Amino acid sequence: EAGVAQSPRYKIIEKRQSVAFWCNPISGHATLYWYQQILGQGPKLLIQFQNNGVVDDSQLPKDRFSAERLKGVDSTLKIQPAKLEDSAVYLCASSLDPNQPQHFGDGTRLSIL
Amino acid sequence: GEDVEQSLFLSVREGDSSVINCTYTDSSSTYLYWYKQEPGAGLQLLTYIFSNMDMKQDQRLTVLLNKKDKHLSLRIADTQTGDSAIYFCAESKRNNDMRFGAGTRLTVKP
Repeated sequence: EAGVAQSPRYKIIEKRQSVAFWCNPISGHATLYWYQQILGQGPKLLIQFQNNGVVDDSQLPKDRFSAERLKGVDSTLKIQPAKLEDSAVYLCASSLDPNQPQHFGDGTRLSIL
Repeated sequence: GEDVEQSLFLSVREGDSSVINCTYTDSSSTYLYWYKQEPGAGLQLLTYIFSNMDMKQDQRLTVLLNKKDKHLSLRIADTQTGDSAIYFCAESKRNNDMRFGAGTRLTVKP
């Protein structure tokens, strides 16, 4: 079974620029999650999708972050404009349903200059 | 304060047992998880336990849950150098709302 795929693996941008990350979940997984992992911390949930609907985006800084999962499969997370404090690893995870364990991709490491 | 707390570092000798501890605050947690993170990689699910269980064993891994004290531990038997990584404890509630600890960095010395 193929795991959660994320791209790019690394991204370096200057502050105030825009950036987008892509995630392809495990086939058949209805629930998709985006996490932010700051160095030295555990992951923190940004947004959770069930199929193409948002279940929880209470921790998403909506003034600059947006995410979509239009067809209920792939998802993109966008930051516009980026701030220095957005430097982190952005992890995507998926699960069969909201009550099943989450499986993570390798993440995108974002550096803001 | 943090919902989930872990000690930051643990160092053991190869072949010894490792015990990584975790405390959580929410008694309504339904599942508790252990994930492993190697450098530059995502989180790998190691094992998980339902909140109504006391213990779960899976090969070299043993998870113990003390629900009264809200304490979770992961024991790795015969620890190998390949076990060196950061181990995250996590709790989840309804709708898989997961809260992670800051991670314990396990170093295995030959």
